[in-house]
Amino acid sequence: DGGITQSPKYLFRKEGQNVTLSCEQNLNHDAMYWYRQDPGQGLRLIYYSQIVNDFQKGDIAEGYSVSREKKESFPLTVTSAQKNPTAFYLCASSTALTTEAFFGQGTRLTVV
Amino acid sequence: GNSVTQMEGPVTLSEEAFLTINCTYTATGYPSLFWYVQYPGEGLQLLLKATKADDKGSNKGFEATYRKETTSFHLEKGSVQVSDSAVYFCALVSGAGSYQLTFGKGTKLSVIP
Repeated sequence: DGGITQSPKYLFRKEGQNVTLSCEQNLNHDAMYWYRQDPGQGLRLIYYSQIVNDFQKGDIAEGYSVSREKKESFPLTVTSAQKNPTAFYLCASSTALTTEAFFGQGTRLTVV
Repeated sequence: GNSVTQMEGPVTLSEEAFLTINCTYTATGYPSLFWYVQYPGEGLQLLLKATKADDKGSNKGFEATYRKETTSFHLEKGSVQVSDSAVYFCALVSGAGSYQLTFGKGTKLSVIP
């Protein structure tokens, strides 16, 4: 079945550590996105990528980094510079033709 | 810039009640409009969409009509069920070749038996 897979579902990070969230899609979509979700704030765009080896900052990119070496994969690294990383992270993908986005199941990151 | 405003929740309804969740938007050009639903602990699923003025999106008994004159895309359902309990997000994509979704803050719906 086609879809988007995020892993892990739950992730715990110690203060000062970098962690990487995985996002893989087999929908052959060109565009991929990372969103952060906090209670009562909806979804905020962190980074997005329209083609391989290219990506752009979203509204809240500080403290995060991404790569897009393959069409299928768009990992997100939460660096130690991100001061408040505890949140629910959602990855999505879409094509230009429909603009409809498909979402993964999310990763809940907690700083301990 | 683009923005989406949804009615604030939470909304609590009895089973079989009528549901309306208001959504208005500000956008350049001619946006496509979406409603997404998020069940507890999960990602978002597309519920319905409309790509031009006066289009009606519908799915699973939910409907929303793209009203350009009032810049609105209100979500309605005639008879809600307990299984409809979730968070609902209104969203838009604006501009030719645009990939970026702009979301409202979400409205939490709880349906009680």
